[in-house]
Amino acid sequence: DVKVTQSSRYLVKRTGEKVFLECVQDMDHENMFWYRQDPGLGLRLIYFSYDVKMKEKGDIPEGYSVSREKKERFSLILESASTNQTSMYLCASSEGEWRAGSYEQYFGPGTRLTVT
Amino acid sequence: QKEVEQNSGPLSVPEGAIASLNCTYSDRVSQSFFWYRQYSGKSPELIMSIYSNGDKEDGRFTAQLNKASQYVSLLIRDSQPSDSATYLCAAMNRDDKIIFGKGTRLHILP
Repeated sequence: DVKVTQSSRYLVKRTGEKVFLECVQDMDHENMFWYRQDPGLGLRLIYFSYDVKMKEKGDIPEGYSVSREKKERFSLILESASTNQTSMYLCASSEGEWRAGSYEQYFGPGTRLTVT
Repeated sequence: QKEVEQNSGPLSVPEGAIASLNCTYSDRVSQSFFWYRQYSGKSPELIMSIYSNGDKEDGRFTAQLNKASQYVSLLIRDSQPSDSATYLCAAMNRDDKIIFGKGTRLHILP
C-alpha cells in the first residue's frame, strides 16, 4: 500500500513564525502535492512537484513556498505565518510522468495548523 | 460555471439501498475523473478513477461517465452505515491541474 506520512497531525504557531510542513512518501512516486482544505472552500492546490527540484504553482501559492530535494520528500514552507493560514494541510502523491501518469492521488493524514 | 460542481447534501439513504452521487463539470475539464471518500476528520482516500465514457465497476461501487452531458456519477450498492462520509469528485482540467468539487455528504440511515 502507498504510504504518505506528514510530520505533524496538529501544530500551533504564532503569527510571523516560519513554519515547515514535511511530507514523505514511500512508493517512489514522481509527483507530490500540497493542498489546504477549509470548510466551504473544499480542497485547494497550493503547489505541486513532478520531479526532484521541480515545482509548479497551484491555485493559491501566495504566502507559501516548497522544496523537493529528494524524490520521497516534499516540504511546504510558510515564510511568515498569518492567521488566515490556519487550515488543514494535506499532502498527496501520484505515480507516473506528469501529463502521462495515472493522476490517482494518495493522501497523507493531514496537518491541522493553527496560527494564533 | 465552476469546473467541478457537486450538491453539498446531506444525502440520506436507507441502509441496503443504492446511493447515487452526482458531479457535473465544465468545458475546462478534460478526460480524467476521480471519486474520493473522506470520513470526518480524516484525509481523502481514492475510491475509483474513470477515463472513458460508460460504467466502471469495483465491488459495490460503480462510476459512470457521460461526456455528452458532462456529468460523472458514483453509485454505491447495498449501502452500509460505514459508507457515511463526504464524497469528493475530482477532475483534471486543461491546465493539467486536478480540481476537486466541494463534496457531497452522504448519510446512510440504519
